[in-house]
Amino acid sequence: AQSVTQLDSQVPVFEEAPVELRCNYSSSVSVYLFWYVQYPNQGLQLLLKYLSGSTLVKGINGFEAEFNKSQTSFHLRKPSVHISDTAEYFCAVTEVGNNNDMRFGAGTRLTVKP
Amino acid sequence: GAGVSQSPSNKVTEKGKDVELRCDPISGHTALYWYRQRLGQGLEFLIYFQGNSAPDKSGLPSDRFSAERTGESVSTLTIQRTQQEDSAVYLCASSPPDRSRGGYTFGSGTRLTVV
Repeated sequence: AQSVTQLDSQVPVFEEAPVELRCNYSSSVSVYLFWYVQYPNQGLQLLLKYLSGSTLVKGINGFEAEFNKSQTSFHLRKPSVHISDTAEYFCAVTEVGNNNDMRFGAGTRLTVKP
Repeated sequence: GAGVSQSPSNKVTEKGKDVELRCDPISGHTALYWYRQRLGQGLEFLIYFQGNSAPDKSGLPSDRFSAERTGESVSTLTIQRTQQEDSAVYLCASSPPDRSRGGYTFGSGTRLTVV
């Protein structure tokens, strides 16, 4: 079955600095990949997704992610973060053709400091 | 409604008691999922409903856990004889029929604390 590893549990960063949140996945078949964001006391919100086509995916709030099949990675990036980006970020994977089983990483807490 | 609604938002219960958690999906979303999120951990799949098909219960951790959904409406997750390890945030998500496009919408969750 597919699985996801988020390499950093916490990422502190100063405002306006760039950030990268790392995600690696494991699967024996083709996958769809997702990043979700969870703001305090809120549900998960879809940030962006990779289904097929261009490996560079742009999402909401200036975030983007790049699908790298050879490295089985889907790292999330933002060139300049804001205080409001402070949240928990989850990487998720589902196998093509089996979308009732989405596996999530343990999450990365991004803290943006002034 | 406009989003996935879960109730209660917080629940504190004594060990050994039964609890019932409710999820009201987005109208028209045929698929409904329950996940458990323990502190500092990722989301753990519990159960999946798709229309009137038999649910996928493969993620339920024990027979103390059960869930129901009638058609494409409200779902309830029941935990019997709660234990302290059941403490977690229980998240519900729904998606439209074409779920392959990644259209999961999550509720805000129910934070369950077993004391």
